[in-house]
Amino acid sequence: AQSVTQLDSHVSVSEGTPVLLRCNYSSSYSPSLFWYVQHPNKGLQLLLKYTSAATLVKGINGFEAEFKKSETSFHLTKPSAHMSDAAEYFCVVRLFSGGYNKLIFGAGTRLAVHP
Amino acid sequence: DGGITQSPKYLFRKEGQNVTLSCEQNLNHDAMYWYRQDPGQGLRLIYYSQIVNDFQKGDIAEGYSVSREKKESFPLTVTSAQKNPTAFYLCASSIDNSGGAKNIQYFGAGTRLSVL
Repeated sequence: AQSVTQLDSHVSVSEGTPVLLRCNYSSSYSPSLFWYVQHPNKGLQLLLKYTSAATLVKGINGFEAEFKKSETSFHLTKPSAHMSDAAEYFCVVRLFSGGYNKLIFGAGTRLAVHP
Repeated sequence: DGGITQSPKYLFRKEGQNVTLSCEQNLNHDAMYWYRQDPGQGLRLIYYSQIVNDFQKGDIAEGYSVSREKKESFPLTVTSAQKNPTAFYLCASSIDNSGGAKNIQYFGAGTRLSVL
């Protein structure tokens, strides 16, 4: 079965320190992977995507993620957290199932940023 | 501005009542999707449509219905058969439902549905 596991439900960092949000996936083939961010009571915004090109993917707002096939991981990082980064982050895998391309969402990681 | 508009932002449903959530997009996208989000969980797919006049059930379609009479509109009806409708509902669209870059899904701001 295809799935996505976000290893931390909550992460708390101080402003200006690095951010690491962990994601592991299971897939029988090389998947397309995404990170989305959701601010309270808002829709989801695409941060970055991996679609079998470069394994280090740069996204918006200084975020990046590295696809590691050997570890089946796609962790999200940012060198220096900003207060505005406080939100919920979803790791997502896209797979072909039941005749269409569907998104499988992780349960989400809530990032808190303290002054 | 191009985007996806969901309305209303908040909606209340009485027992035995059907309610309809609106989703409109002006991105000229062929594919549209409805998701349900519950606290502490990721999104689950309710229905999707790859083209006008066609739609398919997702993973949790029971108690919901949709229509796709126009390319830009994909309304979702929460029927009285849905016994636990309280959730945050998100609509999304993509250029198409292929496996490539055209299948990046863009989301509306959501509708929060509560039961009175």
